[in-house]
Amino acid sequence: GAGVSQTPSNKVTEKGKYVELRCDPISGHTALYWYRQSLGQGPEFLIYFQGTGAADDSGLPNDRFFAVRPEGSVSTLKIQRTERGDSAVYLCASSEGTAGANVLTFGAGSRLTVL
Amino acid sequence: AQSVTQPDIHITVSEGASLELRCNYSYGATPYLFWYVQSPGQGLQLLLKYFSGDTLVQGIKGFEAEFKRSQSSFNLRKPSVHWSDAAEYFCAVEGTGGFKTIFGAGTRLFVKA
Repeated sequence: GAGVSQTPSNKVTEKGKYVELRCDPISGHTALYWYRQSLGQGPEFLIYFQGTGAADDSGLPNDRFFAVRPEGSVSTLKIQRTERGDSAVYLCASSEGTAGANVLTFGAGSRLTVL
Repeated sequence: AQSVTQPDIHITVSEGASLELRCNYSYGATPYLFWYVQSPGQGLQLLLKYFSGDTLVQGIKGFEAEFKRSQSSFNLRKPSVHWSDAAEYFCAVEGTGGFKTIFGAGTRLFVKA
């Protein structure tokens, strides 16, 4: 697509529920990133994929968070047993994945509110 | 591991005045450096990037930044600020060993008439 698309744009859920957030990157971009941005903070790195594999998942806060990219394009961030502290904007970005100065193109984000 | 510090949480400048936003990074080698801007209701957009070579880089909207290895800094500047520049600005660093990009906490710019 022309840009990075994220759905849903807003998600309100109850504590303890399961949530999936979807990211559709720019066509042809091999690298895909997930960040979390809390109010007044910078984007916090969660995970990035090169193709289908998670190249670095060191930012995932705990085992309730999981992300997949089964065909090397669309990615889903999955959060189990949501907690109020998970409330944030989840940003997805993609890039060409070439070595040296990887320019990220961001989506508009998915705002998650856990009640 | 790389890290980024933006010492100023917010800055207020008058329209037409010059601007400098500070950024310091920590990384063992020469990193790749970026400035992104996030306007209200908008996604993050790249302003400029430093790969190598000339340490003064030009970006969009009249912004520039200077890489100073001795100070581990990559400060963003603009000679004359416009009201439309009011936004949040993020400095970011990518380590040369991979594609992981780390962002600073951001500096919010307010522009007064």
